[in-house]
Amino acid sequence: DAKTTQPPSMDCAEGRAANLPCNHSTISGNEYVYWYRQIHSQGPQYIIHGLKNNETNEMASLIITEDRKSSTLILPHATLRDTAVYYCIVRVAVGNQFYFGTGTSLTVIP
Amino acid sequence: KAGVTQTPRYLIKTRGQQVTLSCSPISGHRSVSWYQQTPGQGLQFLFEYFSETQRNKGNFPGRFSGRQFSNSRSEMNVSTLELGDSALYLCASSPGLAYNEQFFGPGTRLTVL
Repeated sequence: DAKTTQPPSMDCAEGRAANLPCNHSTISGNEYVYWYRQIHSQGPQYIIHGLKNNETNEMASLIITEDRKSSTLILPHATLRDTAVYYCIVRVAVGNQFYFGTGTSLTVIP
Repeated sequence: KAGVTQTPRYLIKTRGQQVTLSCSPISGHRSVSWYQQTPGQGLQFLFEYFSETQRNKGNFPGRFSGRQFSNSRSEMNVSTLELGDSALYLCASSPGLAYNEQFFGPGTRLTVL
């Protein structure tokens, strides 16, 4: 079952950084934090994941607090195409099941 | 490399019927997972198959079943359809177990009347 809490919706101005928070206060030491997004009418798309260090790739940055109880996904320069539902997920690295919560609906405004 | 394909894309059934959905994973991928997405419950994990064996199962009734073939293609079956089974059914594949990224297909939209 989902172990994360996210705000239901957020807006962001185009070109600005979008910061999406996630609380995972019951995360275990062997659980990773994953972020996926789902653009309307498409299947979810992997964005990034991390264990305890901050991570960055071509899509986004992931900042995990030192106590690992929360994290923030950062889209550095949001575009209209980033409008989607963003899911924060925690899971152990065994098995492929992901337990998605309700996610945050991000709307990028022109 | 072709992505995950799901057939059919849209399906309309009536209560009490059964339905079979198909998923072809990305070539070389051996793990296939199924998810149900509804407006009320969101994305929920159904089950995962690897090497023709069910590895994990979500909290769904026995009416939901699946299988995987030797070529990694997978099918899921829902028997005795109920109105609440109306949903988008998503299939995801990955090369093996414990991979960080799952690749999702476009889904099958099932409507139960």
